[in-house]
Amino acid sequence: DAGVIQSPRHEVTEMGQEVTLRCKPISGHDYLFWYRQTMMRGLELLIYFNNNVPIDDSGMPEDRFSAKMPNASFSTLKIQPSEPRDSAVYFCASSSWGGRDETQYFGPGTRLLVL
Amino acid sequence: AQSVSQHNHHVILSEAASLELGCNYSYGGTVNLFWYVQYPGQHLQLLLKYFSGDPLVKGIKGFEAEFIKSKFSFNLRKPSVQWSDTAEYFCAVNARRNNRLAFGKGNQVVVIP
Repeated sequence: DAGVIQSPRHEVTEMGQEVTLRCKPISGHDYLFWYRQTMMRGLELLIYFNNNVPIDDSGMPEDRFSAKMPNASFSTLKIQPSEPRDSAVYFCASSSWGGRDETQYFGPGTRLLVL
Repeated sequence: AQSVSQHNHHVILSEAASLELGCNYSYGGTVNLFWYVQYPGQHLQLLLKYFSGDPLVKGIKGFEAEFIKSKFSFNLRKPSVQWSDTAEYFCAVNARRNNRLAFGKGNQVVVIP
């Protein structure tokens, strides 16, 4: 398996622009997680899905952030409008549950810089 | 909700020195425990994990961790570090009832050649 795939790997945009981050989880995994990592706040869980349904979005900072999972192999995290304080590395992770391996596997991340 | 504490955020040591990173969690129920490593500019990779069984867990690259239930701890150790172990190390915990991971703040480890 190719692992968790994220795109783009780097994104530089200007304040006010819409940003869309993409994630393809490991095939067969039924959980998908979006995290944000910054120097100040460390690793934060933004939202997670189970079987394409959002389970907990309490970590989403504000209404500018939204996430979708239209099918089992694709999820997006959208920021609209973006602000400089959104600059961070955004990680997607996936896992299965109830089986022998309940480990979360992380993607390579998207480094977002909002100018 | 569970929480995870990692102390000594910055650790600097010489090659061949021994490393021990502490991890304590707060949750009274059954947990799964993980250590992840993040090399500079890279994503989180699983170093080792504990679900059940032998509380002494061996992971990749010579790392091991010991689960001490009475102390709510899952400390990471390596007897002799290398320069390539320079990275940030994260302890994470999830309760068996749910799949949500709680991460510690991380330990930034720098190994001097």
